Amino acid sequence: QLLLQQSGPGLLKPSETLSLTCTVSGDSISSGYHYWVWIRQPPGKGLEWIGTIYYTGSSYSIPSLKSRVSISVDTSKNQFSLRLSSVTAADTAIYFCARLRSAALPDAFDSWGQGTLVTVSS
Amino acid sequence: QFVLTQPPSVSGAPGQRVTISCTGSSSNIGGGYDVHWYQQLPGKAPKLLIYGDSNRASGVPDRFSGSKSGTSASLAITGLQAEDEADYYCQSYDSSLSGSVLFGGGTKLTVL
Repeated sequence: QLLLQQSGPGLLKPSETLSLTCTVSGDSISSGYHYWVWIRQPPGKGLEWIGTIYYTGSSYSIPSLKSRVSISVDTSKNQFSLRLSSVTAADTAIYFCARLRSAALPDAFDSWGQGTLVTVSS
Repeated sequence: QFVLTQPPSVSGAPGQRVTISCTGSSSNIGGGYDVHWYQQLPGKAPKLLIYGDSNRASGVPDRFSGSKSGTSASLAITGLQAEDEADYYCQSYDSSLSGSVLFGGGTKLTVL
């Protein structure tokens, strides 16, 4: 059974770096059959795609966050991670990791992590 | 705000049929890119309902169906049930936004 388990701190101060990890079980990131993504949702608002990564490490992200976002993959641990630098209150959101249904872009997200509420506050 | 436009809310009585629209443009839905639909129950992660415009994801009841025409797509729910009360999001891709994945703003479905 596929499970995406998120981990990482939920409270940050302005200017700090957000760091979240998504550990995948029930599937192998290195199989190359899927892409993996990060998506966020400000409290009470809609979904926003952050970025996508493949097992090779090839990644891309939403232009508005590109200068602050880093997405990486560790196939030995079957994990992928998100780093978002210089956070502000506007980055307060529930962050989700998810799996793209296939390795053919673009496609739907067929499995999601449980979500991590990240609050940025001084 | 959102490039894909959804109505903020829809409602229906149990047993009724409701539809949720998702309107885009020629650079996304109208450009032939697939539309996908998600259901998000309160406090939960989104769940894939429909992929590739009209294909039901595994385990999704046939009460849920999707369609697309021109620059718009729709999600239809028949035989409305109390458990269908949730937020629904459409998703597509935009060729003008450097590989960007798009979500609609979401629609709150209330079962009366």
